[in-house]
Amino acid sequence: NAGVTQTPKFQVLKTGQSMTLQCAQDMNHNSMYWYRQDPGMGLRLIYYSASEGTTDKGEVPNGYNVSRLNKREFSLRLESAAPSQTSVYFCASSERYPKNTEAFFGQGTRLTVV
Amino acid sequence: DQQVKQNSPSLSVQEGRISILNCDYTNSMFDYFLWYKKYPAEGPTFLISISSIKDKNEDGRFTVFLNKSAKHLSLHIVPSQPGDSAVYFCAASALGGGATNKLIFGTGTLLAVQP
Repeated sequence: NAGVTQTPKFQVLKTGQSMTLQCAQDMNHNSMYWYRQDPGMGLRLIYYSASEGTTDKGEVPNGYNVSRLNKREFSLRLESAAPSQTSVYFCASSERYPKNTEAFFGQGTRLTVV
Repeated sequence: DQQVKQNSPSLSVQEGRISILNCDYTNSMFDYFLWYKKYPAEGPTFLISISSIKDKNEDGRFTVFLNKSAKHLSLHIVPSQPGDSAVYFCAASALGGGATNKLIFGTGTLLAVQP
């Protein structure tokens, strides 16, 4: 079972460049999420999508945009990358309330902005 | 403002002994709590959860305790094994307040189990 698949796994960007991180899940989950992990900061929610057609800001949305393309796919876009966006990015999916299922995570994308 | 706090960045225990990882939260709306385990270069994987209507949930070697009045939960691993060495994240959700199970994570505790 693939679960949650993220691409790419690694990326180096120059300051000011743009890129899109892709995420797809095959578990028929309604909700999808983007997190970033930084040393000493844990996992912080960037954006989430409760269901197809909806997106909402999380804890740290500045500098990012998202698109819920369909039920399976949720992409994260950096329009003008900054060194502060150097991080490991995780996509996750879960069922939605009132189903109390846990979130399943992808393997992560390690992004370096120079 | 950190709504979920793990005040111990690291913990070292001997194989076979008990590991106790702690987590505190500030938001009284949280009603569902989870623990995730993360190995280097991998995504977090779900370990165990507890609803606010319970004070204990057990799954094999893993037990989570919830003290709502203290806004505190803990994860006990007994007996600890070297393969348990990983970063453990506590997470919380306010299920009753909305349409999504979005999780708020703590900063993580690195557990090292010494053989």
